[in-house]
Amino acid sequence: EAQVTQNPRYLITVTGKKLTVTCSQNMNHEYMSWYRQDPGLGLRQIYYSMNVEVTDKGDVPEGYKVSRKEKRNFPLILESPSPNQTSLYFCASSLWFGQPQHFGDGTRLSIL
Amino acid sequence: KQEVTQIPAALSVPEGENLVLNCSFTDSAIYNLQWFRQDPGKGLTSLLLIQSSQREQTSGRLNASLDKSSGRSTLYIAASQPGDSATYLCASPIWRYGGSQGNLIFGKGTKLSVKP
Repeated sequence: EAQVTQNPRYLITVTGKKLTVTCSQNMNHEYMSWYRQDPGLGLRQIYYSMNVEVTDKGDVPEGYKVSRKEKRNFPLILESPSPNQTSLYFCASSLWFGQPQHFGDGTRLSIL
Repeated sequence: KQEVTQIPAALSVPEGENLVLNCSFTDSAIYNLQWFRQDPGKGLTSLLLIQSSQREQTSGRLNASLDKSSGRSTLYIAASQPGDSATYLCASPIWRYGGSQGNLIFGKGTKLSVKP
């Protein structure tokens, strides 16, 4: 089944404790992206990757890192999480940029 | 900077009604315009994609139109059903220097409720 898989689905953690949210797709897509969704602010892009080893900032990259060493994986890293990063996070992929995106089911992060 | 706006933020209609959801964008040099559906607690599902050279796109009871000159897209839902209840979002990829930049800008969505 074609899918985008995010893990974990839910996480409660404390300020400053490094965490990684994994994202994997099995569709051989070139383009991958991370978004956060907050009430009243909508869906905002954090980082995206046009292909392996090619990443770039979206609208809200501060406090986040990403890497794209393999085509299928695009982890989101919070080196020193803070409470303002409490949010619902989505990973998405598409065959290439501009094509319909497939979204994961989301990761709900709570930073205390 | 591209801004995407969706009005209204929420809409409640009786079952069977035809309805229109609106999406406006500030930069008409769009690559394409995409419509998504989001169910509570779930990720987004792609519904329709209209290329910048197209005027409309249809899938079942859904029809999306694009008017670049006025900076508008509409999603028409025919004969609405309670199962159509969800949040509908539109999104526009940014076009720059002859190629897309990689950013996808979303509207905040319209929350649709279809009453039985």
